Amino acid sequence: GESVGLHLPTLSVQEGDNSIINCAYSNSASDYFIWYKQESGKGPQFIIDIRSNMDKRQGQRVTVLLNKTVKHLSLQIAATQPGDSAVYFCAENRGANNNDMRFGAGTRLTVKP
Amino acid sequence: DAGVTQSPTHLIKTRGQQVTLRCSPISGHKSVSWYQQVLGQGPQFIFQYYEKEERGRGNFPDRFSARQFPNYSSELNVNALLLGDSALYLCASSPRTGKGGYGYTFGSGTRLTVV
Repeated sequence: GESVGLHLPTLSVQEGDNSIINCAYSNSASDYFIWYKQESGKGPQFIIDIRSNMDKRQGQRVTVLLNKTVKHLSLQIAATQPGDSAVYFCAENRGANNNDMRFGAGTRLTVKP
Repeated sequence: DAGVTQSPTHLIKTRGQQVTLRCSPISGHKSVSWYQQVLGQGPQFIFQYYEKEERGRGNFPDRFSARQFPNYSSELNVNALLLGDSALYLCASSPRTGKGGYGYTFGSGTRLTVV
């Protein structure tokens, strides 16, 4: 069936290195994607979003890349910090409204000092 | 400004019981959505309400119901609890329906344990 998923369940990086978190989606009709960060004991927190008419979008220390050809999404975090340690989810917003947000299983990022 | 407020933060119930979870959206937000997050998985969409009307429903049994009040707060009810209902229940509020992750704000959730 159609789903949003992730290539890797865990990622460990050294403080100061760049991190890349990947996500695959299967619904070619999806046109809007969001990355969320979830820290322990908290709800998901919006990081960055991208629409399908874009290939790349940059925020503060984060970049999202979208490859529609292979239906792949990635989140790049520059100069990873201990505070970046969390579970990261990609979400696919289907439909005209935001009432059907499909989340992947998540990737746990651990930053080593 | 207060964020999305959910109560209670933790709850333990016995199989077969009923539970009511509450959510207060950010001031000015008229849309509330509910998600279930089983440990180790991503959140799964349950309901969305906007202006007190149901605008979306996920693939959950009829034991799950919700409503939204005139002040835009919301309740999620689950009847005949099963062990598999143990999860973190998240509420998200947004100013309106329509695409847009920005402004779609999650609360910290209610951790429900069914024993």
